[in-house]
Amino acid sequence: DAKTTQPTSMDCAEGRAANLPCNHSTISGNEYVYWYRQIHSQGPQYIIHGLKNNETNEMASLIITEDRKSSTLILPHATLRDTAVYYCIANNNAGNMLTFGGGTRLMVKP
Amino acid sequence: DTGVSQNPRHKITKRGQNVTFRCDPISEHNRLYWYRQTLGQGPEFLTYFQNEAQLEKSRLLSDRFSAERPKGSFSTLEIQRTEQGDSAMYLCASSSGQYYGYTFGSGTRLTVV
Repeated sequence: DAKTTQPTSMDCAEGRAANLPCNHSTISGNEYVYWYRQIHSQGPQYIIHGLKNNETNEMASLIITEDRKSSTLILPHATLRDTAVYYCIANNNAGNMLTFGGGTRLMVKP
Repeated sequence: DTGVSQNPRHKITKRGQNVTFRCDPISEHNRLYWYRQTLGQGPEFLTYFQNEAQLEKSRLLSDRFSAERPKGSFSTLEIQRTEQGDSAMYLCASSSGQYYGYTFGSGTRLTVV
């Protein structure tokens, strides 16, 4: 898996969009970008993944730059329940493990 | 679909004792993974099963650790002669294929005293 770099922590006001950046400058052409989050005392939860194109689902949007060296996870209207650690992972799906880094601790404040 | 179930949720054991954890994946998922997570760190991969076959093991999985998935359904992770350094959250995940996200269970928190 390519190395990913994320800010250690971020704050966001409730109701505003949360934009979580991730750098993956050494990502290879066949590696997908995955996002998971982990709420305290729970297992990680899959959010979204993408290869080249931007992706959107009911939880979030994923914006991947054209050169694929960075991406942004967008939570359009953050709620207090979105407070969690968010992990960005680059994975080629050929291996059978995800390599989690330290993630970004997002605090949504009222 | 009740998700991935792990039992027990918490386990406290004395150093040197053996412990066994159980994971029940989502029924139609043929892939099952074990991870370990210590406080303040991201999860670390331990081992992976496709159906009943254990296809990959991390170097973290010392010879005191053994995992099985006898009929390709539930899995067990056993730790023999536990050490204080084994204290961690043990997470199980399953998936239906390599291009799909994993579904994690809530984990088993092990404390070795």
